[in-house]
Amino acid sequence: DAKTTQPPSMDCAEGRAANLPCNHSTISGNEYVYWYRQIHSQGPQYIIHGLKNNETNEMASLIITEDRKSSTLILPHATLRDTAVYYCIVRVGRETSGSRLTFGEGTQLTVNP
Amino acid sequence: GAVVSQHPSWVICKSGTSVKIECRSLDFQATTMFWYRQFPKQSLMLMATSNEGSKATYEQGVEKDKFLINHASLTLSTLTVTSAHPEDSSFYICSARAGGSQHFGDGTRLSIL
Repeated sequence: DAKTTQPPSMDCAEGRAANLPCNHSTISGNEYVYWYRQIHSQGPQYIIHGLKNNETNEMASLIITEDRKSSTLILPHATLRDTAVYYCIVRVGRETSGSRLTFGEGTQLTVNP
Repeated sequence: GAVVSQHPSWVICKSGTSVKIECRSLDFQATTMFWYRQFPKQSLMLMATSNEGSKATYEQGVEKDKFLINHASLTLSTLTVTSAHPEDSSFYICSARAGGSQHFGDGTRLSIL
């Protein structure tokens, strides 16, 4: 699986958009970009994933650059409960014997009142 | 959505005892489950991949005789930490795969005195 690079920490004001960047310059054509987050002392929570098109769901939006070497997770109106470590992970999307999630260091997002 | 339940959520025991952690997929069948370990202020580290009805595949550096994994049914995997010592104290998280997504339990905090 391709390696990802994320800033170790970010701050955001409550109610503002949080934009979390991720670099994955060695991504392969069949690898998806996944985003998970982990609130303190809980298991990771799935947020969103995409291959090459931008994606949006009730939690967030995912913007993937045209060359697929980087992406941005957008939380449109951050709340205090969005404070968590956010992980950007690249992996093959289909269920294969070697397909599993490996976590990097992630970005600690702190939403301030 | 897919729900993964872990039990117990918290366990404290004496050094030398064995501890069993259960991971259940509540509303789906999981042919593959994963076990992670997380030390304070660190990311999740994959320990092993568990496939129903077969032996688990352990990551490099993880002792298979110390961390026994059983995946006897499509909804249950167990991790037994044998002869636990203080250095085994950690946050253990299981995950189950449904289609192309992985869903995580809320973790088990293990403290060995």
